[in-house]
Amino acid sequence: QSALTQPASVPGSPGQSITIACTGTSSDVGGYDYVSWYQQHPGKAPKLIIYGVVNRPSGVSNRFSGSKSGNTASLTISGLQAEDEADYYCSIYTSSNTFHVFGTGTKVTVL
Amino acid sequence: VQLVQSGSELKKPGASVKVSCKASGYTFSAYGLSWVRQAPGQGLEWMGWINTNTGSPTYARGFTGRFVFSLDHSVNTAYVQINSLRADDTAVYYCARQWLGQTYDYWGQGTLVTVS
Repeated sequence: QSALTQPASVPGSPGQSITIACTGTSSDVGGYDYVSWYQQHPGKAPKLIIYGVVNRPSGVSNRFSGSKSGNTASLTISGLQAEDEADYYCSIYTSSNTFHVFGTGTKVTVL
Repeated sequence: VQLVQSGSELKKPGASVKVSCKASGYTFSAYGLSWVRQAPGQGLEWMGWINTNTGSPTYARGFTGRFVFSLDHSVNTAYVQINSLRADDTAVYYCARQWLGQTYDYWGQGTLVTVS
């Protein structure tokens, strides 16, 4: 199964809102509500920020929100802050033998 | 909850390496563990997972044959062994705890394996 497609980079200014798209197919993103998003700072392990399309784990800022429409899931970061500069990955769990697939990753740059 | 991985490794092509992931702070057999690879400057790649209750491994496409997942319940530790190492196995390897069957809520710090 191919990786989910994300834009390579998304720039934003402090205080702005940005949205990262994660595009799959009807066999993965379109067919399951098991989309997660991870934030990864350089040299660090990924951190879960969204699961089940829209849910935030305890302790994650409410500036992060998730949604899905058709075969595309989205992560929105509102009130962009310098600390949000990182790589972001979407992932999907499916019941096929592949089980989990990650997106290609998006570098968020805070200008 | 903590997942603590073994340290960096430098190996020659053709050798084997075994990376460990020691779990603490929760019931080890209650959550599956996955392995994720990240080549230098690249994205995350799901390698597969191991059922920590039954020990049954599942390997993603591209990670069959040379990769072996295993457990040691006596020390709450999961392992991935990579045989016949190649230069393109150079990567950081992460273990991650599966949560709700669909996502990963805790990750190890990563283990850099360099094949040169």
